[in-house]
Amino acid sequence: DIVMTQTPLSSPVTLGQPASISCQSSQSLVHSDGNTYLNWLQQRPGQPPRLLIYQISNRFSGVPDRFSGSGAGTYFTLKISRVEAEDVGVYYCMHATQFPYTFGQGTKLEIK
Amino acid sequence: QVQLVESGGGVVQPGRSLRLSCAASGFTFRDYAMHWVRQAPGKEPEWVAIIWHDGSNKFYADSVKDRFTISRDNSKNTLYLQMNSLRAEDTAVFYCARAGIVLIPDYWGQGTLVTVSS
Repeated sequence: DIVMTQTPLSSPVTLGQPASISCQSSQSLVHSDGNTYLNWLQQRPGQPPRLLIYQISNRFSGVPDRFSGSGAGTYFTLKISRVEAEDVGVYYCMHATQFPYTFGQGTKLEIK
Repeated sequence: QVQLVESGGGVVQPGRSLRLSCAASGFTFRDYAMHWVRQAPGKEPEWVAIIWHDGSNKFYADSVKDRFTISRDNSKNTLYLQMNSLRAEDTAVFYCARAGIVLIPDYWGQGTLVTVSS
């Protein structure tokens, strides 16, 4: 199985300031079809996970443009340009390159 | 809008069985593959299983293979997860999720809690 490792595990951020979360996979996430199926999900307290970004950098429906994703191969980054109060929660990277899909340990975003 | 509502969770003794259901609405259910994903308390989510839109293919996590069975009834817009030989480590919130763009779980239900305890 592919192991997904996130850093940091906790990120205290000031409102209005940027935040960045990294995710590294134990092997390349490039599929045989040439696409890279690395995704980011947000889980607010008491809520189910919500898809934010798919295939490295595509924002899902309704996701604000302050969220952006980048990366390639085995190293990926989620950035929030200006953190808002509603962004508090846990962020997970998840690959969908092969079964089983696996998730990172999560990064807890909190406000300083 | 897409709605997924799980049911069937509860407290069950080790070794017993439970069947979860997921009622889907707001999209053409028969056109989409569907996932089950679980999340133990305080842990990251764990992918459990996927079933193709027509039920022709199913894949499972090793941790549940041969114990859990995913199925669907497209006439009822409902997804199922039959869980047998339950263990304490199966305790989790179980979510159903639609497999959208390139089979990525895009919409998730609110989840149903399964507690395996004697």
